[in-house]
Amino acid sequence: DGGITQSPKYLFRKEGQNVTLSCEQNLNHDAMYWYRQDPGQGLRLIYYSQIVNDFQKGDIAEGYSVSREKKESFPLTVTSAQKNPTAFYLCASSPRLGLFADTQYFGPGTRLTVL
Amino acid sequence: GENVEQHPSTLSVQEGDSAVIKCTYSDSASNYFPWYKQELGKRPQLIIDIRSNVGEKKDQRIAVTLNKTAKHFSLHITETQPEDSAVYFCAASNAYGQNFVFGPGTRLSVLP
Repeated sequence: DGGITQSPKYLFRKEGQNVTLSCEQNLNHDAMYWYRQDPGQGLRLIYYSQIVNDFQKGDIAEGYSVSREKKESFPLTVTSAQKNPTAFYLCASSPRLGLFADTQYFGPGTRLTVL
Repeated sequence: GENVEQHPSTLSVQEGDSAVIKCTYSDSASNYFPWYKQELGKRPQLIIDIRSNVGEKKDQRIAVTLNKTAKHFSLHITETQPEDSAVYFCAASNAYGQNFVFGPGTRLSVLP
């Protein structure tokens, strides 16, 4: 999982602003994922992408948007429509698609705080 | 879709004792079951996984068992140490990873 990077580590946003969280991987993984984690809670899937130029909504996609223009990059935009965006955001990637799913490897996370 | 339950939500054990965390899943098509450990403020890290064609897997002090008929799988940690204290997440996924669902987590505390 050392090949997955997220930036910035900490991000502060004013209400009404859009912000973009970066996720890059150099592992040549096909699939990439974004999760949100609130304090003391589990992981909730926001969006995932299994191939370039394609992505699917997860359980809590409202107020978020993504793009997958390159295999190694999967940025997440938190829009002003997201009512309560303060959380820890984790990006993950998975090496291959197939009959058996493969392990997800996580980036170090971005902690977003709305002021 | 898949639903993964995890029990207990918190677990305290004395150092040296064993700890067991159990997860149940709903989708019989799920065929991959990883376990992650997350320390405070850090990323989840894979500690062990099992696929549906195997009933048990062991790696030193950690083992995972799978009962496909009952749709549950368990994490076993023996000879627990203080550094085992963390939140543990189970997950289940079907073919192509299209339905990768995490359990809510178990906070394990190993008391010295």
